[in-house]
Amino acid sequence: EAQVTQNPRYLITVTGKKLTVTCSQNMNHEYMSWYRQDPGLGLRQIYYSMNVEVTDKGDVPEGYKVSRKEKRNFPLILESPSPNQTSLYFCASSIGYNEQFFGPGTRLTVL
Amino acid sequence: KQEVTQIPAALSVPEGENLVLNCSFTDSAIYNLQWFRQDPGKGLTSLLLIQSSQREQTSGRLNASLDKSSGRSTLYIAASQPGDSATYLCAVRPGGSYIPTFGRGTSLIVHP
Repeated sequence: EAQVTQNPRYLITVTGKKLTVTCSQNMNHEYMSWYRQDPGLGLRQIYYSMNVEVTDKGDVPEGYKVSRKEKRNFPLILESPSPNQTSLYFCASSIGYNEQFFGPGTRLTVL
Repeated sequence: KQEVTQIPAALSVPEGENLVLNCSFTDSAIYNLQWFRQDPGKGLTSLLLIQSSQREQTSGRLNASLDKSSGRSTLYIAASQPGDSATYLCAVRPGGSYIPTFGRGTSLIVHP
C-alpha cells in the first residue's frame, strides 16, 4: 500500500531534550516536506527536500533541522525543543510540484 | 505573499444537500491547487488536484473548479452524507516554489 508513515504518533517530552520524528514513504517520491498545524494558524511548512541531500527552509524553520540521506526517509529533528513547538506535525511527499500525500501526523507536547 | 481564504469557516447541513465550499487566493500565479479532507486528529487525505491550466476536476460526488483570473476555487459536494463530515482544506502551490499556502479550512457537519 502506497503510504507515508510517521513515528512516533504521540510524544510528550520536556524542554531541551533532543528528539527526532521519523518520516518514510514508499512511493519513490523525490519531494518530501514537514508541516506543523496549529489552531488559528493552519498548516505551515517547516522544511522541504527536493531530493537526496537537497533541503531548504519553508515558512517556519526556526528550531528545526532535517536531513535527507535516503530518498524514502526525511526525519525532523528538534535539538532543543521548547513549549512553543507543541503542535501537530505532518510529513508529506509528492512527485515534484504535484499531488501531495500526507502522513497520519505526530502530536508533540513539550512541557 | 500569497493569502488563501476559505469561506465559510463552518457549515452545518442536513443529509442530501448539495453544497459548495469556497477557496480564494490573492496571487493568481499559481502552479496548482489541491483540495484535502481532514478528519479530527487525523492526517490530510487528498481529494482533488487542479493544475493551473485546468478548469475543473471530478471524482465521484466531488467536483472542484478553478478560476485563476478571479483567484477562486470551489469544491462542490453532491448529495452530502454524514460521512462527509470533516474539515476541508485547500492548498495553493505557487509557480516556481515548493512552498504551498494552505487555507484554514471549512469545518463541515452533515447531520442525518
